[in-house]
Amino acid sequence: AQKITQTQPGMFVQEKEAVTLDCTYDTSDPSYGLFWYKQPSSGEMIFLIYQGSYDQQNATEGRYSLNFQKARKSANLVISASQLGDSAMYFCAMREGREGTDKLIFGTGTRLQVFP
Amino acid sequence: DSGVTQTPKHLITATGQRVTLRCSPRSGDLSVYWYQQSLDQGLQFLIQYYNGEERAKGNILERFSAQQFPDLHSELNLSSLELGDSALYFCASSVTTSGSPYEQYFGPGTRLTVT
Repeated sequence: AQKITQTQPGMFVQEKEAVTLDCTYDTSDPSYGLFWYKQPSSGEMIFLIYQGSYDQQNATEGRYSLNFQKARKSANLVISASQLGDSAMYFCAMREGREGTDKLIFGTGTRLQVFP
Repeated sequence: DSGVTQTPKHLITATGQRVTLRCSPRSGDLSVYWYQQSLDQGLQFLIQYYNGEERAKGNILERFSAQQFPDLHSELNLSSLELGDSALYFCASSVTTSGSPYEQYFGPGTRLTVT
């Protein structure tokens, strides 16, 4: 069965430093997509970055980059130059593409706290 | 702002009652997804509609139902509510269906509290 694992319940990082949030996945489907979402205390889910299983290069979006290691089945999120506003819950998710659906399977999340 | 709207933002109701949550997808998006976020279950997929038709079902209770209308907005109906149904309910939308790597954009959510 498809599964997403986030082993870090909480992470701390100092402002302006880089931080890596871990995500591993399990799937037997050769075609899949990996996503990261940010959920601030206000509750909304904000899309950050996407990586397709066939993409040759790691995805980047501004200060966010995805360290995709297919053989290890990991899709870690790297946030560079952390800002106080980055404090939030971060969820890794996988698109399950079987049987005509694009439903997302989410990990349990990592709470990131950025301190001055 | 993701472009996905959900109403109401908050809902407080009693056990045994029925409520309807509404979602309008981003302009042009044909797929609508419903997710439930609770403390004990985390974020779980409930159901997906594509252009008015049900496409996939997840861990959705029989007391829950949904539909997508011709104008593509969607409603999630929750009936015979129990305390355990208290959660944040998200609607998300995307352009297309399986095989396409389109990201899902989430609405702000409806926080349901059952007392």
